[in-house]
Parts: sequence; structure tokens; C-alpha cells
Amino acid sequence: SQQGEEDPQALSIQEGENATMNCSYKTSINNLQWYRQNSGRGLVHLILIRSNEREKHSGRLRVTLDTSKKSSSLLITASRAADTASYFCALWGVGGFKTIFGAGTRLFVKA
Amino acid sequence: DTEVTQTPKHLVMGMTNKKSLKCEQHMGHRAMYWYKQKAKKPPELMFVYSYEKLSINESVPSRFSPECPNSSLLNLHLHALQPEDSALYLCASTTTGQVEQFFGPGTRLTVL
Repeated sequence: SQQGEEDPQALSIQEGENATMNCSYKTSINNLQWYRQNSGRGLVHLILIRSNEREKHSGRLRVTLDTSKKSSSLLITASRAADTASYFCALWGVGGFKTIFGAGTRLFVKA
Repeated sequence: DTEVTQTPKHLVMGMTNKKSLKCEQHMGHRAMYWYKQKAKKPPELMFVYSYEKLSINESVPSRFSPECPNSSLLNLHLHALQPEDSALYLCASTTTGQVEQFFGPGTRLTVL
């Protein structure tokens, strides 16, 4: 499957803890993005990392990309209840000019 | 205006009905997308329009008919749907040369 595979499928943590989500894929990509989706709503773009980059930061978010292992991770530091959402990695450049979303990780942050 | 809007928010229709979903953006984006998302699943690409022309159709059944009347509007016409078509339908747009997609809030469709 071209789709990214994410783990864990679900993650429950306490407020203030860090949350790490992983995405693995099988084909070459041009870039990898992470999106957040609050329950039943549209997706919000969080961060993009290009295939020639290894790490990017944005606020409390840290994304890494290992193209040799075909994997990426999203770290959310000092999590808040408002971070409760589903997080999807998205691969661009697979099979043409389109984005393919991974299965997603459902994060629940307990206050 | 950095918003993608979708109407209606919710839609309930019978299998013999004809209805349309509407998506609008005023960011000057020239690529627009329709996705279908079932519960606890990722969005699945249905159609891509680039410069008002259909560029990708992911083998979607003909009961779904997209239309892009101008660079700001994207419609999805629905006819003779099946209950399994019940899902969240998401619209998104991107600007030329960028891959970051801006999503609308979605239309929750229920087919009875």
C-alpha cells in the first residue's frame, strides 16, 4: 500500500507529557506532512518536512524524517487537553500530484 | 480570507434523491479537492481539479459528479447514492506550487 502506516493507532497521556507518533511508508516521497483533525472536523496542516530534511520544529512540534528507514515521527511536547485529536501523516508525490494520508493516530490528552 | 467553506454542514438524503455539496474558497488557490472520510479512517481522495479542469478521478462511481464552475467554487453532485456512501465529505484547496492543503469543515452526509 502507498498509504503511510502510523503507530500507535491510539495514544492516551496526561497533560504535560510528551506524545510521539510514528509514520512508516513504502515508496519514495518528495515530502511528508502532518495534519491534525479534531473530531468530525476538517484537517489542519501542522508541518511539512522535505525529503532532504531530517528534522523540523514548529512551536511544541518536532518532526523527524529518516528516508533510509522510510519513517517519520511527530513529537508534541508538554501536551495540553486541546491537543486531543487525530493526527495523520500525509505523503506527497506518490503516484502523481496527490496526497495520500496515513491511517492516523488518535491522541487523547487527559487534563 | 484564509478559509474554505462548505455547505451544507449536514445532509440527509434518500437513495433516490439528487443533492449537491458546495465548497468555496477565496484564497486564489487553483487546485481544489474532494475527499471522502469514513469514521476512524483517513481521508480518501476522490477528485482533483487544477485550473478548473478535472485532473484526477480516483475511480469514483458515476453517482458522484464533480463540477468546478470557476476558480473559487467546487461542487459535488450526488444522485442515487447508497447507504455506504454515508461519510464526511471534505473539500480542500492548495495554491500553485505548494502542497499544504487547506481544508473545509466538511459535510456530514447520511444516505437512508
